[in-house]
Amino acid sequence: QSALTQPRSVSGSPGQSVTISCTGTSSDVGGYNYVSWYQQYPGKAPKVRIYDVDKRPSGVPDRFSGSKSGNTASLTISGLQAEDEADYYCCSYAGSYLVFGAGTKLTVL
Amino acid sequence: QVQLQQWGAGLLKPSETLSLTCAVYGGSFDDFFWTWVRQPPGKGLEWIGETNHVGVTNYNPSLKSRVTISVDTSKNQFSLKLSSVTAADTAVYYCARVGLRSLEYLREYYFDYWGQGILVTVSS
Repeated sequence: QSALTQPRSVSGSPGQSVTISCTGTSSDVGGYNYVSWYQQYPGKAPKVRIYDVDKRPSGVPDRFSGSKSGNTASLTISGLQAEDEADYYCCSYAGSYLVFGAGTKLTVL
Repeated sequence: QVQLQQWGAGLLKPSETLSLTCAVYGGSFDDFFWTWVRQPPGKGLEWIGETNHVGVTNYNPSLKSRVTISVDTSKNQFSLKLSSVTAADTAVYYCARVGLRSLEYLREYYFDYWGQGILVTVSS
């Protein structure tokens, strides 16, 4: 059960858009529309930003969007703000269990 | 407002059994699956397993032989036991609620409410 592959880090300037990828296999990301994304600040519990590939929970800004193509899911954050600087993790259903990505550190320049 | 409060021993010796409990306040307990996730210091998240109110469980295959997740519906609590711990089990352990597709009352595969996390250190 290997972790999903995410870039270690991404960066962007305020107002720009950034996209974080999450690559798995046909047994997880590619096989189910159950990809979720979590934002985590240091020392805090994660918070869900996207679920079921592209759905936003109530209260999450529409600057956060999700998509999937084949075995790769993506999280896009548009109109970057300083408060978006955090770690981001993808998570996918894999048939009988859930698997996370290794995490991506987003730096807002 | 849903709140999850967790507790348990924070320091263990190798070969001992980790034991944590998570209490749920607010909202329905019986409608949801409840899960445990851990995060080694400076590393990523790892799903451990889940249970529901009637004791249906699913576990991470890599931990299955050492994990037991149980539920106490009379107290709206669920618990994690991890046996034969080693230093590799040192992590912050979180409890969380699994989301629900409310119109169809179907479980989802994401986590919408989390506990505060508890650091468990395994050291001789």
